[in-house]
Amino acid sequence: EVVLTQFPLSLPVTLGQPASISCRSGHSLVTSDGNTYLDWIQQRPGQSPRRLIYNVSNRGSGVPDRFSGSGSGTDFTLKISRVEADDVGVYYCMQYTHWPHTFGQGTKLEIK
Amino acid sequence: EVQLVESGGGLVHPGGSLRLSCAASGFTFSNYWMNWVRQAPGKGLEWVANINPDGSGKRYVDSVKGRFTISRDNAKNSVYLQMNTLRAEDTAVYLCAREASLWGRGAQVTVSS
Repeated sequence: EVVLTQFPLSLPVTLGQPASISCRSGHSLVTSDGNTYLDWIQQRPGQSPRRLIYNVSNRGSGVPDRFSGSGSGTDFTLKISRVEADDVGVYYCMQYTHWPHTFGQGTKLEIK
Repeated sequence: EVQLVESGGGLVHPGGSLRLSCAASGFTFSNYWMNWVRQAPGKGLEWVANINPDGSGKRYVDSVKGRFTISRDNAKNSVYLQMNTLRAEDTAVYLCAREASLWGRGAQVTVSS
């Protein structure tokens, strides 16, 4: 099983400030045809998960451009350029290059 | 409206069975892989099973192999999870997901005597 390690696990951020979450994989997430199936998922309190970023760096439908994803191979990053109150929740990286698909432990973002 | 709605959760004794359903609407269901993901109380997300668009391919996480069965009915725009020989550690909210792009609100499954 591919282990995804996120850091930090807790992220207190001041409104309007940037935030960054890292995700490291125990195995390369690059497929034989060159794709990398690494997504970022947001789960607000009491809500269903929502996909923010797919295939490392593509924003999902309706996702503000404050959110961006980057990385390659085994190291990936989610950045929020200016944190808003609505961003409070838990953020997961998720890989579906290998079965079983796996999630990181989650990073809890809170407002300072 | 594009949505997924789970049903069939509940309280069951250890060793019992439960069948979850997920009804899809607002998109061409038969084009997508469908998934079940669970979230134990206070814990993160765990992928449980998935099924390919025509139902011919199914995969399971090791902890549920031989006990859970995923299936789908494209005519009814629905995916199912038959859960047998349930254990306390299967207690979780079970979420239906269309690949990773659309998620339901979940169904609570509690396994307890």
